Amino acid sequence: AQSVTQLDSQVPVFEEAPVELRCNYSSSVSVYLFWYVQYPNQGLQLLLKYLSGSTLVKGINGFEAEFNKSQTSFHLRKPSVHISDTAEYFCAVFDQGAQKLVFGQGTRLTINP
Amino acid sequence: DAGITQSPRYKITETGRQVTLMCHQTWSHSYMFWYRQDLGHGLRLIYYSAAADITDKGEVPDGYVVSRSKTENFPLTLESATRSQTSVYFCASSEGHNTDTQYFGPGTRLTVL
Repeated sequence: AQSVTQLDSQVPVFEEAPVELRCNYSSSVSVYLFWYVQYPNQGLQLLLKYLSGSTLVKGINGFEAEFNKSQTSFHLRKPSVHISDTAEYFCAVFDQGAQKLVFGQGTRLTINP
Repeated sequence: DAGITQSPRYKITETGRQVTLMCHQTWSHSYMFWYRQDLGHGLRLIYYSAAADITDKGEVPDGYVVSRSKTENFPLTLESATRSQTSVYFCASSEGHNTDTQYFGPGTRLTVL
């Protein structure tokens, strides 16, 4: 079964600073990877996804992620964060065998003014 | 309004009672999902449905029952609630599977006393 590990449970950063949220997945022949964001008291919404092609994926709200097959990573980055980016971020991989989306445990991003 | 809705948003019940959480989507998406979100576990799939009258177990199905008589509705029933089922429950839908984006409802916070 495929799995996802989010290496940081909490990431505090200052406003306008860059941020990287780390995600590693278990190796597989083909892999579909996702980043979802959950704002306070809301459901999850898709930030971006990697299916194939370019390893640099651009998403909404200025976020991007890079698929690195050799390091089995899919880290999420933003060059300059805003207070409104305060949320929990989930990395997910589609498990082809089990036919289900497998989520990491989440990273809570806190933006300090 | 179009989208995916859940009701109730908050529910307090007692151990042993039956509880039904409702989920409704207006997109006519084929797939629907139920997840539970617990601290330290991220999101875990309870059940999913590929179409009306087709349902399948996810990672943590014990103690839950689902049905899908209509494409737009996917209720989740806790037949005899237990304290361990205290959680936030999210319903989601997607047009297809594996690579398709899942759209999440706002969640139901269930407390079992």
